[in-house]
Amino acid sequence: EIVLTQAPATLSLSPGERATLSCRASQSVATSLAWYQQKPGQAPRLLIYDASNRATGIPARFSGSGSGTDFTLAISSLEPEDFAVYFCQQRSNGPLFTFGPGTKVDIK
Amino acid sequence: QVQLVESGGGLVKPGGSLRLSCVASGFSFGDYQMSWLRQAPGKGLEWLTYISALSGSKYYADSLKGRFTVSRDNAKNSLYLQMNSLSAEDTAVYYCAKVGGSDTYFDYWGLGTLVTVSS
Repeated sequence: EIVLTQAPATLSLSPGERATLSCRASQSVATSLAWYQQKPGQAPRLLIYDASNRATGIPARFSGSGSGTDFTLAISSLEPEDFAVYFCQQRSNGPLFTFGPGTKVDIK
Repeated sequence: QVQLVESGGGLVKPGGSLRLSCVASGFSFGDYQMSWLRQAPGKGLEWLTYISALSGSKYYADSLKGRFTVSRDNAKNSLYLQMNSLSAEDTAVYYCAKVGGSDTYFDYWGLGTLVTVSS
């Protein structure tokens, strides 16, 4: 099973700052990696799929990059509504889907 | 717009069973793979099962040990999850989700239904 790790666990930033979140896979997942945002009491929302493609309706301040085992989600300038938990997710053969433990972006 | 609405959650005793439903609208349900996922209180996300568009292929997380069964009725735009031999570890919010085009991600999620296993 491919294990995803995310860093940092918590990121404390101010509105307007840039956020950089990391997701690392225990073995290559090519570009089969997605990112989700989850706010308290809400379902996850897809942000990025296939490593770098923004989902429908996602603002351009969100961007994804990486391939193989190392991936990054960047938020260019944090808006108040961006403070949330972010999960990465991969699909491997099976199919088998696994998620990272999440990074919480909170207000500094 | 795409909507997924889960139902069937509630309080169940250890060892009991529950059947969850998910009704889809806003897209051609019968053309897409679907999944169930869950999130225990304060925890991360766990994928449970995947069913192909015509139900020909079904896959499950190893952790379920054969206790859960996924099914769908495309005529009713509905997805189901039969859960047996429930334990406290199954307490979670259960989500149904539409599998995205490249079959590698979940592009739409329902709001979830809470299952609590307790005596």
